[in-house]
Amino acid sequence: SAVISQKPSRDICQRGTSLTIQCQVDSQVTMMFWYRQQPGQSLTLIATANQGSEATYESGFVIDKFPISRPNLTFSTLTVSNMSPEDSSIYLCSGVQGMDTEAFFGQGTRLTVV
Amino acid sequence: GENVEQHPSTLSVQEGDSAVIKCTYSDSASNYFPWYKQELGKGPQLIIDIRSNVGEKKDQRIAVTLNKTAKHFSLHITETQPEDSAVYFCAAPVSGTYKYIFGTGTRLKVLA
Repeated sequence: SAVISQKPSRDICQRGTSLTIQCQVDSQVTMMFWYRQQPGQSLTLIATANQGSEATYESGFVIDKFPISRPNLTFSTLTVSNMSPEDSSIYLCSGVQGMDTEAFFGQGTRLTVV
Repeated sequence: GENVEQHPSTLSVQEGDSAVIKCTYSDSASNYFPWYKQELGKGPQLIIDIRSNVGEKKDQRIAVTLNKTAKHFSLHITETQPEDSAVYFCAAPVSGTYKYIFGTGTRLKVLA
């Protein structure tokens, strides 16, 4: 199984600023994903981080707001841009090594926008 | 596309009792069904999974059953302990992709 290190674990940010969240996997994974989780809610997929190309965004999420990078098979970043209080949430990265296999998760980033 | 429903949203049991959480899915082509446990301040962790070629899988106190005809699968926890208290999510794959759709989650409380 793979281990994903995600940082920061939490942050409090001023509205209008941006925050970049990083995920490092200890082994190569085929696909990486970014999720948002509101407190007490389920996981909502933001986008698929594609290695070496632009991310694929789910409905309701756009690149200008959530730019994503994945320069190699073990690392990805998510930036939350021009933040507002509505962006306060937990952000999680995930990786899978094959189709219909276990998804590994980072420990999450708890973001509070004030 | 795949749709996953999970029930109940909250579940309280006495220590030592059993807990059952149920999920239904919509895509008959789905063949892999994982269950995740999320503790406070942590990411979800896989606790058990099942593939469509079997109807039940057990791992100590945890079991998962699958009914492909009815398109539902269930998590069973026996002899519950306080450390089983957490939020549990089922998931089903989006066919032909690496993506998963997650259930709405069940908050399990094991009362000592």
